Amino acid sequence: QKEVEQNSGPLSVPEGAIASLNCTYSDRVSQSFFWYRQYSGKSPELIMSIYSNGDKEDGRFTAQLNKASQYVSLLIRDSQPSDSATYLCAVNKGYALNFGKGTSLLVTP
Amino acid sequence: EAQVTQNPRYLITVTGKKLTVTCSQNMNHEYMSWYRQDPGLGLRQIYYSMNVEVTDKGDVPEGYKVSRKEKRNFPLILESPSPNQTSLYFCASSLGTSPYNEQFFGPGTRLTVL
Repeated sequence: QKEVEQNSGPLSVPEGAIASLNCTYSDRVSQSFFWYRQYSGKSPELIMSIYSNGDKEDGRFTAQLNKASQYVSLLIRDSQPSDSATYLCAVNKGYALNFGKGTSLLVTP
Repeated sequence: EAQVTQNPRYLITVTGKKLTVTCSQNMNHEYMSWYRQDPGLGLRQIYYSMNVEVTDKGDVPEGYKVSRKEKRNFPLILESPSPNQTSLYFCASSLGTSPYNEQFFGPGTRLTVL
């Protein structure tokens, strides 16, 4: 079983819709969870971190964590074409980070 | 401006020619790390450092060396590069070594080994 799994996509949503990105992880003792956005050829950019069960909101972004189900999600409200990118889920593994392979999001005008 | 810098940004080299990719951060971060990113394989950690003179292997350390003589610098050394090391390399740093510390990435170095 892969340590951090994401659907590769592409996930296509119309402009203004809610994009829902999902991630599952295998290590039950993981404590911290991160979402990064990566545009093609660019470096990953941190957009959200979450450590406790429940929801965490920051602007148009909401991260959701369910440790019992080993599941992390990212919701993007009012999606914009500029949100088109690959979204990477990262989960701590001790002092390191394990990354999923990313989900490609395409927001169509 | 707080940032992680890498040099060079692009490099084309030949098999066996030693090279160093530099990484520097100006945020007084304790933790630094190197990743490589390959299509279909995602981001994989090569080496990391929790402080000066403290380094450890990540998931794919073969063919790479690192050193951490100063807190701000964490160079990646390829003593004898091979074509399978052609990749996009990222350096990252975080404030401390807690699992809750967020990692910030440099701009990347695209390496081609012929």
